[in-house]
Amino acid sequence: GAVVSQHPSWVICKSGTSVKIECRSLDFQATTMFWYRQFPKQSLMLMATSNEGSKATYEQGVEKDKFLINHASLTLSTLTVTSAHPEDSSFYICSPARSGPTEAFFGQGTRLTVV
Amino acid sequence: AQKVTQAQTEISVVEKEDVTLDCVYETRDTTYYLFWYKQPPSGELVFLIRRNSFDEQNEISGRYSWNFQKSTSSFNFTITASQVVDSAVYFCALTSNAGKSTFGDGTTLTVKP
Repeated sequence: GAVVSQHPSWVICKSGTSVKIECRSLDFQATTMFWYRQFPKQSLMLMATSNEGSKATYEQGVEKDKFLINHASLTLSTLTVTSAHPEDSSFYICSPARSGPTEAFFGQGTRLTVV
Repeated sequence: AQKVTQAQTEISVVEKEDVTLDCVYETRDTTYYLFWYKQPPSGELVFLIRRNSFDEQNEISGRYSWNFQKSTSSFNFTITASQVVDSAVYFCALTSNAGKSTFGDGTTLTVKP
């Protein structure tokens, strides 16, 4: 099966700083990357969709200038939380997808705590 | 639009009891994938099962079994002889052919000794 590597698994940062989360697709070329967010005791919600080499598409209510997504290659996508605030504390998880009939693969998730 | 409904927010059982977690979905796609994930307190999503829309065959894996019925758009999950280690949040998810996933709200299962 496909292997997805997401780092870091957890991070604590100070308010106002930026945090970068990496997601690597190790077994296949991910033409599309989905980023999800899960607040405590809630479900996972799609934040944005990015296609390799294109700008990401953000879901309603997600600030594109705050959550910068880079999908420069078919095996790597990054999510940068800029000027993080405590309300950004959440569990972030990536899901790379390939073209054609596809299945869902998920990274291990990153638990971000902003203090 | 896709939608996944897990009507049971919380379930509490005593060890060795059987428990069924319900999942009902909505989609206009003809090709899609259904998943069940376990999320322990550590937060990582643990893959349990994947079913594509053309495979209605039920599956049993150890103490776990799944019942997929397209006629009722349901994909229910049963744990037989539950154990304390089964305590977790369980998510049902629907993934489109493009790879986009929609998750249910999750069911918190507590298995008491």
